[in-house]
Amino acid sequence: EPEVTQTPSHQVTQMGQEVILRCVPISNHLYFYWYRQILGQKVEFLVSFYNNEISEKSEIFDDQFSVERPDGSNFTLKIRSTKLEDSAMYFCASRMGRSEQYFGPGTRLTVT
Amino acid sequence: AQTVTQSQPEMSVQEAETVTLSCTYDTSESDYYLFWYKQPPSRQMILVIRQEAYKQQNATENRFSVNFQKAAKSFSLKISDSQLGDAAMYFCAYRSQETSGSRLTFGEGTQLTVNP
Repeated sequence: EPEVTQTPSHQVTQMGQEVILRCVPISNHLYFYWYRQILGQKVEFLVSFYNNEISEKSEIFDDQFSVERPDGSNFTLKIRSTKLEDSAMYFCASRMGRSEQYFGPGTRLTVT
Repeated sequence: AQTVTQSQPEMSVQEAETVTLSCTYDTSESDYYLFWYKQPPSRQMILVIRQEAYKQQNATENRFSVNFQKAAKSFSLKISDSQLGDAAMYFCAYRSQETSGSRLTFGEGTQLTVNP
């Protein structure tokens, strides 16, 4: 069964450093998403992406965040200058049409 | 903006018994989806069940069923014959069909414990 994959599973970085989180959505899906979950809290929407552009973003998704689909398979989330409060689990998701969103296993980001 | 509320931070159930998790939501839209996701300790988000708002029939997936009350904006999850593997955090989620992007809006979650 096709699945969304994410790399790395765990990323440790120092405050102020740039990180890139990578996702490979399900191959025939058209809509892509990033969510984050701070430990012990609910899952929060960051950004959605369709037809090679951002279709919606939340107030969390400020200028330090960017997304890209550099080729036909990868979907990346870049955080330019990480802060301590960026420590969270980051989930990628994808969907096709009106179907549900399928989530990847997540990348745990730890900023020290 | 839509909001989703889960008023039960924690619930527990005996193995083989039935438990119901509550969820309410607020929206002015008429076309939307509702979902229940399960998050075990691995933190993977696993879809349990979904409900289209235009369907009056409640969704069912094996031991999982929902009670969807559109007028009351209520969407509860019933787990029958609970198993130890059902222990997890459960999130209720809303998705609009009327706006671009169609983000998921999640509730705060309910931590379910299954006692042997």
